[in-house]
Amino acid sequence: AQKVTQAQTEISVVEKEDVTLDCVYETRDTTYYLFWYKQPPSGELVFLIRRNSFDEQNEISGRYSWNFQKSTSSFNFTITASQVVDSAVYFCALSEGVRGGSEKLVFGKGTKLTVNP
Amino acid sequence: GAVVSQHPSRVICKSGTSVKIECRSLDFQATTMFWYRQFPKQSLMLMATSNEGSKATYEQGVEKDKFLINHASLTLSTLTVTSAHPEDSSFYICSASVFDPGRNQPQHFGDGTRLSIL
Repeated sequence: AQKVTQAQTEISVVEKEDVTLDCVYETRDTTYYLFWYKQPPSGELVFLIRRNSFDEQNEISGRYSWNFQKSTSSFNFTITASQVVDSAVYFCALSEGVRGGSEKLVFGKGTKLTVNP
Repeated sequence: GAVVSQHPSRVICKSGTSVKIECRSLDFQATTMFWYRQFPKQSLMLMATSNEGSKATYEQGVEKDKFLINHASLTLSTLTVTSAHPEDSSFYICSASVFDPGRNQPQHFGDGTRLSIL
């Protein structure tokens, strides 16, 4: 069965600090996709990244970076030089199969990030 | 990019009322739509998967007679919460996807509907 664990329930940092959000997943499939979404207080889900199980390259996009390690079944997300606008709940999610995430998603419980000025 | 419109964004109604939520894919044809539910400060849980022209597949523990899902066209799915009660108050969010092996697109989410039953 598929499962996503985000052990950090809440994190609070001061602006400009770096922060890493942890995500550990479980799946029996060899092909799967991992995602990160941001959910601001308004509630909508903002897609951040999708990564397939065959691509372990780390990715950087501006202040965001992701570290995917199959050996530890982890897909961690780092925000560098955090800003107040980064305050939100962040969800890690898993989709099994070959369809790129067009199949159902299993979400972690989310990590609430608060960035204080 | 792909856009999914969900309507209404917020509903407040009395206990016993039935509420319909619409999910539309605006610029693509969605072969599959998903309905998720999120209780306050909790994660999103899949309620059901709906494929155009066929009956929805409900997750374990979700009452199909309570949460009626219709996916009558490739651009529209509806979720009707029948005889809603305060415990049905939640944030409902839909997503839409198209199976395209050449592009492998992820699903696209609507902005959600906040349902409050008094």
